[in-house]
Amino acid sequence: GAVVSQHPSWVICKSGTSVKIECRSLDFQATTMFWYRQFPKQSLMLMATSNEGSKATYEQGVEKDKFLINHASLTLSTLTVTSAHPEDSSFYICSAGRANLEGEKLFFGSGTQLSVL
Amino acid sequence: AQKITQTQPGMFVQEKEAVTLDCTYDTSDQSYGLFWYKQPSSGEMIFLIYQGSYDEQNATEGRYSLNFQKARKSANLVISASQLGDSAMYFCAMREGVYNTDKLIFGTGTRLQVFP
Repeated sequence: GAVVSQHPSWVICKSGTSVKIECRSLDFQATTMFWYRQFPKQSLMLMATSNEGSKATYEQGVEKDKFLINHASLTLSTLTVTSAHPEDSSFYICSAGRANLEGEKLFFGSGTQLSVL
Repeated sequence: AQKITQTQPGMFVQEKEAVTLDCTYDTSDQSYGLFWYKQPSSGEMIFLIYQGSYDEQNATEGRYSLNFQKARKSANLVISASQLGDSAMYFCAMREGVYNTDKLIFGTGTRLQVFP
C-alpha cells in the first residue's frame, strides 16, 4: 500500500531555533499534503494544506510566518517551525493522498514529536 | 460550530464483545466522505473504514462496520469481537468533497479500552 514517510520521529531543540520536518510520499505522487498538530490527549487539528508548486493554505489562527510550508515536488512537503518556543512543543503529523482519486483515504506519516526547551 | 462530534471520551468493552463508537457530523454539502482512523499509543494513524455520502450500503471492513444514518447525520463505528489490540484512540473524520485534495477534519476522539 501507499506509504508516507515522515522525519524526524522526534526532535528536541532549544528555544529560538528552527526545526524542519519532512513528509515524503514514497510510492505515489501527492499534489496535496496536509499538516496536522496534536496536543496530548487531543484531536488532530489541521494547520495547513500544502499544494505542490504553490503557496500553502493555512487554517484560521495558524501563523504562516511561524510555520513555513514548502511543497517543492510531488513527493515532498516540509514544515519548518521557525524560532520555536516551548508552546510549539507538540506532535506534528502529515498526510497525503494519491492524486485526485474519489473516495481515497489519506495516508499518514508516523508523526514528529517536537519538544522545545 | 463543531463539524464532527464524538460524545464519548472513553469506552470500555470486554474482549470478544461488540462496541459502538458514536460520531455525528454537520455539513451542508451533498458530497462528503466519512472516515474512521485508529491511533494507538505509538501515534500512527491507521485507516479503518470509509463511507461516501452517496453510498447506500453501510461500509464494512473485516470486524469494522460503519452504521451510516444520513438523515440523522451519524456515522457510528461498530467493532465486532473486540480484541485487546483494539485498545486505542479512535477518530471520526469528515471530508467535505470527495477527493483527497479536500481537507479532512477530525472529531475529538474516543479512547477505547478492551479488557480481558
